[in-house]
Amino acid sequence: KNQVEQSPQSLIILEGKNCTLQCNYTVSPFSNLRWYKQDTGRGPVSLTIMTFSENTKSNGRYTATLDADTKQSSLHITASQLSDSASYICVVSADSGYALNFGKGTSLLVTP
Amino acid sequence: EAQVTQNPRYLITVTGKKLTVTCSQNMNHEYMSWYRQDPGLGLRQIYYSMNVEVTDKGDVPEGYKVSRKEKRNFPLILESPSPNQTSLYFCASSERETVFYEQYFGPGTRLTVT
Repeated sequence: KNQVEQSPQSLIILEGKNCTLQCNYTVSPFSNLRWYKQDTGRGPVSLTIMTFSENTKSNGRYTATLDADTKQSSLHITASQLSDSASYICVVSADSGYALNFGKGTSLLVTP
Repeated sequence: EAQVTQNPRYLITVTGKKLTVTCSQNMNHEYMSWYRQDPGLGLRQIYYSMNVEVTDKGDVPEGYKVSRKEKRNFPLILESPSPNQTSLYFCASSERETVFYEQYFGPGTRLTVT
């Protein structure tokens, strides 16, 4: 069964600090991996999308990495800001079918 | 502005009273989906549509209906809502196959069934 596991479940960091969120998956055959940011009560917004051949992708202070061999991805946030407080969701697509496989998300709280 | 819109944003209803949540996109996308999001469970797909008049079940379709009569609209219908359908609902669209193309989410509809 295709699964996407995210860790940690929640995280609290001080403003200005860096953090890394993890995503492990068993989806096969792999097509692409996405990271979304979801503010409380709002729809998810895409941060990055990576295919098999990409091992790193940046979007401002957000950098995603992908190791397709170990089936792991990470999202690194640099110099965190209060506005980074949100849930971060990892989504993995298989190279067949129509469904996306969603992780349950990591809830990040950035405090002053 | 390219967007996915949903209405209503908030809804409180009673068990058994039929309701419809509308979803519309202005990007001429072929693919549209409905998700529900519950604490501790993440996003789960209810139904999806690959084009006009083409729909299929997602992971949790029980108790829901959809229709796709026009490309831009994809309403979610609850014929007889029950309390276990209390949830946060999201509509999403993508240009083509969602597994390969970027997916854009609406702002969400918070539904409470008493």
